[in-house]
Amino acid sequence: SQQGEEDPQALSIQEGENATMNCSYKTSINNLQWYRQNSGRGLVHLILIRSNEREKHSGRLRVTLDTSKKSSSLLITASRAADTASYFCATDVNSGNTPLVFGKGTRLSVIA
Amino acid sequence: DAGVTQSPTHLIKTRGQQVTLRCSPISGHKSVSWYQQVLGQGPQFIFQYYEKEERGRGNFPDRFSARQFPNYSSELNVNALLLGDSALYLCASSRAGGFGHEQFFGPGTRLTVL
Repeated sequence: SQQGEEDPQALSIQEGENATMNCSYKTSINNLQWYRQNSGRGLVHLILIRSNEREKHSGRLRVTLDTSKKSSSLLITASRAADTASYFCATDVNSGNTPLVFGKGTRLSVIA
Repeated sequence: DAGVTQSPTHLIKTRGQQVTLRCSPISGHKSVSWYQQVLGQGPQFIFQYYEKEERGRGNFPDRFSARQFPNYSSELNVNALLLGDSALYLCASSRAGGFGHEQFFGPGTRLTVL
């Protein structure tokens, strides 16, 4: 069963707008990671946020984590056509000794 | 530095055949993990090898096996292929074993079983 589930399943926005994707999970986690995948190719790591962190930034990316609600959000500001991809959250439980569990992903389309 | 490489890029097999997929990790990385990604789904963990030993196994049948070589490259073998084995197979490497850190993914091998 999926530990993390992204929402929405698909998102279409205009270039320059912000995109927000959410991830909900079921059990307590050690950390949560966000990955991007272009056109069915390999995944690229974006951000790792630990369970004791609430917010993290990387360039145009902002990730928040609310452990009380078992949810995380990924915000991409000033989106570009090149941001078009699928975005996955992956959760890590048991202090890194349990395999990452990926959600089904959010398909983001940024229209120029 | 070169990233994670996988071969072949694409593969077409028929039911009942056997397949071997290969992965070379980033230089200095000692851990290799394998994932299966079916269309429309997220990657699902198959195996992790660290220092040539199996460190984790996902919920896959015994038809799936893997190994890691002294140079830390890895092979994934799938026997008696089924139609449902059609998927993108991803390899990921990391410096250490476990899953509490960034995984570097290769481009994947697209397997089609007819």
